[in-house]
Amino acid sequence: KAGVTQTPRYLIKTRGQQVTLSCSPISGHRSVSWYQQTPGQGLQFLFEYFSETQRNKGNFPGRFSGRQFSNSRSEMNVSTLELGDSALYLCASRTSGTGSLGTEAFFGQGTRLTVV
Amino acid sequence: KQEVTQIPAALSVPEGENLVLNCSFTDSAIYNLQWFRQDPGKGLTSLLLIQSSQREQTSGRLNASLDKSSGRSTLYIAASQPGDSATYLCAVGQGAQKLVFGQGTRLTINP
Repeated sequence: KAGVTQTPRYLIKTRGQQVTLSCSPISGHRSVSWYQQTPGQGLQFLFEYFSETQRNKGNFPGRFSGRQFSNSRSEMNVSTLELGDSALYLCASRTSGTGSLGTEAFFGQGTRLTVV
Repeated sequence: KQEVTQIPAALSVPEGENLVLNCSFTDSAIYNLQWFRQDPGKGLTSLLLIQSSQREQTSGRLNASLDKSSGRSTLYIAASQPGDSATYLCAVGQGAQKLVFGQGTRLTINP
């Protein structure tokens, strides 16, 4: 069974540009979450999608956006890149996110974004 | 606001020792708690998931406990091996969708 796949693995962008990252969840998983990991702030929640709807959003500026397609694949977009956006961006998938029990989150290898 | 703390930030032990990693959280209203390991430059590998109604979970040489009332979890690693060297992260489930992470414990097992 394939795991969570994130593409590309590495990106170098210039300040002011925009970038799109992709995440393909485990087959059958409908919930996709995005996290940003930096040495200073650690892992921080960006947003979560389920059945093409954003259900939860972290405390990030509007430059960070995402979407989910009908096949559960998700994309994350960052516009007007800043140096501080340099980070490892991780995507996680779950079977579902409803009910009183949280399900296990499985993470991809991440996309390393460097803004110069 | 949920805050998750992991102590110590770094730990170095000789091979073969049993060890305990600690995780504390400030809000006991959690769905679950999950332990991960992260190798340098890599993604997160799920180790154990404990639901809020459970007290512990075991997988091989790993045992994780959860005490919601005191806001604590521990990860016990038995008979440590050099391959266990990694950063260990605990994360609490806030709602069904969001994980709040600690800063991690960087573990080094010396041969």
